[in-house]
Amino acid sequence: SQKIEQNSEALNIQEGKTATLTCNYTNYSPAYLQWYRQDPGRGPVFLLLIRENEKEKRKERLKVTFDTTLKQSLFHITASQPADSATYLCALVGAYNNNDMRFGAGTRLTVKP
Amino acid sequence: EAQVTQNPRYLITVTGKKLTVTCSQNMNHEYMSWYRQDPGLGLRQIYYSMNVEVTDKGDVPEGYKVSRKEKRNFPLILESPSPNQTSLYFCASSSAGLNNSPLHFGNGTRLTVT
Repeated sequence: SQKIEQNSEALNIQEGKTATLTCNYTNYSPAYLQWYRQDPGRGPVFLLLIRENEKEKRKERLKVTFDTTLKQSLFHITASQPADSATYLCALVGAYNNNDMRFGAGTRLTVKP
Repeated sequence: EAQVTQNPRYLITVTGKKLTVTCSQNMNHEYMSWYRQDPGLGLRQIYYSMNVEVTDKGDVPEGYKVSRKEKRNFPLILESPSPNQTSLYFCASSSAGLNNSPLHFGNGTRLTVT
């Protein structure tokens, strides 16, 4: 069956360090991968999109990689700040059905001052 | 301001009492979708709509109905709610499918069915 797994439920890091979140998938052929941020009591907010033929995408302090051989995406936040504390969700859009978007359960990131 | 608006934010009801959760977007988006979010399970799609009068089932459609009579509105209907439908529900919209366009989410409706 199709599975999307994010590395851990929770990740705690010190302010200023780089946070690295992992999204692994099985039995899936995504054409696109998206990352979202979700704060408590709010809906997810889009951060970055990366296509299957792109290796890396950057936006300010955020970087996403997409390795279709390893079936993995890494999401990095450099120079992390307490304001980056949130839950981060990865979402995959299917190659054969672009209305099929599936989400991982999310990783809750806490950045300590 | 571009947004997806869901109402109500919180709803407590009893088993079997029909309810509707409304969703409206002001971005002229063709694509709209409903998700439920449960601890440890992530967001799971209930129904989606590619355009007016076009709806399709997602992963967990049982016990839910939707309609898309106008482009901006996509209500979620629970004809006979049951306790296993207690969850956090999100409506989302996108400009054209999901290929290049991100989803814009509402702020959620927390439903409790007793």
